[in-house]
Amino acid sequence: GAVVSQHPSRVICKSGTSVKIECRSLDFQATTMFWYRQFPKKSLMLMATSNEGSKATYEQGVEKDKFLINHASLTLSTLTVTSAHPEDSSFYICSARDPWTGFDYGYTFGSGTRLTVV
Amino acid sequence: AQSVTQLDSQVPVFEEAPVELRCNYSSSVSVYLFWYVQYPNQGLQLLLKYLSGSTLVESINGFEAEFNKSQTSFHLRKPSVHISDTAEYFCAVSDTGNQFYFGTGTSLTVIP
Repeated sequence: GAVVSQHPSRVICKSGTSVKIECRSLDFQATTMFWYRQFPKKSLMLMATSNEGSKATYEQGVEKDKFLINHASLTLSTLTVTSAHPEDSSFYICSARDPWTGFDYGYTFGSGTRLTVV
Repeated sequence: AQSVTQLDSQVPVFEEAPVELRCNYSSSVSVYLFWYVQYPNQGLQLLLKYLSGSTLVESINGFEAEFNKSQTSFHLRKPSVHISDTAEYFCAVSDTGNQFYFGTGTSLTVIP
């Protein structure tokens, strides 16, 4: 089945630095990937839709200059948290769908990245 | 727009007892419905889905959910839970198949 790999699984960074999170589709090509943020005891909040070869589409209230998304290839999307602050600490998850398997298989989610900003 | 409500944020249940996790949705169009499970510090795994056809869908590990259009519900049930079922469960809805709307999740704790 479709596999989405997310790296790193856990990262601690200093306030003011930038962190890059990678999301790879391992055995399929994904023209679209999604980035979610999950707060403790809260549901997943869609941050943005990453489109291969074009600009990402951000949800309302998400700072596009702070959360930079790059989808340079059909198998890789990256989320860069720029000038991170403690309030950016969260669990970030990406997802993608293998277009050839269709919607029947739903979306595959990465294993998530726990970001802690100190 | 779609929205999902999971009324129970936490559900403790004894091992081998039955459990039901509630999910209600609102939508003005036809939707696809999903249940995802999340273990600690992991991503979401698809548990089961309703796309069309039979309103009762089952997963390989004993869970089932029934789509009830008149009540706009998609409750998740299991007749006998195991310790390994302890996890966070998310109900989700999608109309186009592109964007998902998740409920706030239900934390299922199975007590030995």
